[in-house]
Amino acid sequence: GAGVSQSPSNKVTEKGKDVELRCDPISGHTALYWYRQSLGQGLEFLIYFQGNSAPDKSGLPSDRFSAERTGGSVSTLTIQRTQQEDSAVYLCASSSQDGYGYTFGSGTRLTVV
Amino acid sequence: AQSVTQLGSHVSVSEGALVLLRCNYSSSVPPYLFWYVQYPNQGLQLLLKYTTGATLVKGINGFEAEFKKSETSFHLTKPSAHMSDAAEYFCAVSNAGNMLTFGGGTRLMVKP
Repeated sequence: GAGVSQSPSNKVTEKGKDVELRCDPISGHTALYWYRQSLGQGLEFLIYFQGNSAPDKSGLPSDRFSAERTGGSVSTLTIQRTQQEDSAVYLCASSSQDGYGYTFGSGTRLTVV
Repeated sequence: AQSVTQLGSHVSVSEGALVLLRCNYSSSVPPYLFWYVQYPNQGLQLLLKYTTGATLVKGINGFEAEFKKSETSFHLTKPSAHMSDAAEYFCAVSNAGNMLTFGGGTRLMVKP
């Protein structure tokens, strides 16, 4: 597609429920990233996929968080047993392999009540 | 390792005044440098980037930034602020690979 698409744009969930956030990167972009932006905070790196390489999961805050990328394209970020501190905007970005910057999606605003 | 420091989490200017948002970085290799802007309830949009060549780079919406290696800085400027410039601005650095490291962001407020 023309840009990075994220869905849903907003998600309200009850504490303890699992959620899945979807990211559809720009066609042909080999690298895909997930970031978290909490209220009034900067960007917190979560996970990075590059081609067929093993993902860099060093930013995932707990084992409740996981992500996969199917067929080198669409990615899903899953948060299990959500907690109130998981409330944030989750941003996805993709880039071509040359590292000349990212293109971001509009994000998913997650609210855990 | 690389890092980015944005001085001033909030900057307020009057409409028509100079905008100056400060960014200093550390990098063990020649850096690629970026400025992104985030409008309310939106994702981040690339304003401008420096990779190689001319150290003064021009971006969208009248913004520009100058790479100063001796000062390890990449400050963002605009001669005359407009109300529509009110947003959050993020500086980022990479080492020619794909991973960007972001600063903490600066919220720009423009007073009428």
